Amino acid sequence: GENVEQHPSTLSVQEGDSAVIKCTYSDSASNYFPWYKQELGKRPQLIIDIRSNVGEKKDQRIAVTLNKTAKHFSLHITETQPEDSAVYFCAARGRSSASKIIFGSGTRLSIRP
Amino acid sequence: EAQVTQNPRYLITVTGKKLTVTCSQNMNHEYMSWYRQDPGLGLRQIYYSMNVEVTDKGDVPEGYKVSRKEKRNFPLILESPSPNQTSLYFCASSLSTAGLAGYNEQFFGPGTRLTVL
Repeated sequence: GENVEQHPSTLSVQEGDSAVIKCTYSDSASNYFPWYKQELGKRPQLIIDIRSNVGEKKDQRIAVTLNKTAKHFSLHITETQPEDSAVYFCAARGRSSASKIIFGSGTRLSIRP
Repeated sequence: EAQVTQNPRYLITVTGKKLTVTCSQNMNHEYMSWYRQDPGLGLRQIYYSMNVEVTDKGDVPEGYKVSRKEKRNFPLILESPSPNQTSLYFCASSLSTAGLAGYNEQFFGPGTRLTVL
């Protein structure tokens, strides 16, 4: 079935450094890739998304890249700050099953002061 | 305030005792969905609904039922809960998933932490 794999499961970076989280998807027809951030005890919230007709999207310190050929996409956070500490989920929506959104297993990001 | 609400937020129950978790959104969203979140497994979709009276199974529908009689409400029903349904449950809604309007942010409820003894 459709699958989204996310790596790493945990990531610790020094404040001010960059963090990269990677996801691969199995459904080549997937056309929408959102990223959600979940702070401790809170609900997931969308931070950035990308459509399959775009290779890269940036929003301040956050960027997402998409490689359709390799079927992987990545989240890049630059100049990390303590408030970036959270669990991050990637997801993919398949065109073949337009209403089903498959989430990755999550990455717990910790920012060291 | 635009929001998704869930009730109850916390529930401890016993095996076999039927329960319902309510979900309501005030944004006139067509699409609603239920997820369960378990450590190391991320968010897994249980059921979703494209619109009123239209529901479909997600990845882990066994042991759950849903209904969508009104646009704003999407209750999750556990007819006979079992301990393996102990989890954190999230309801979510988005404007639509159809066509060009399908790239829509999902808004999540605050979550319901369910423990089945």
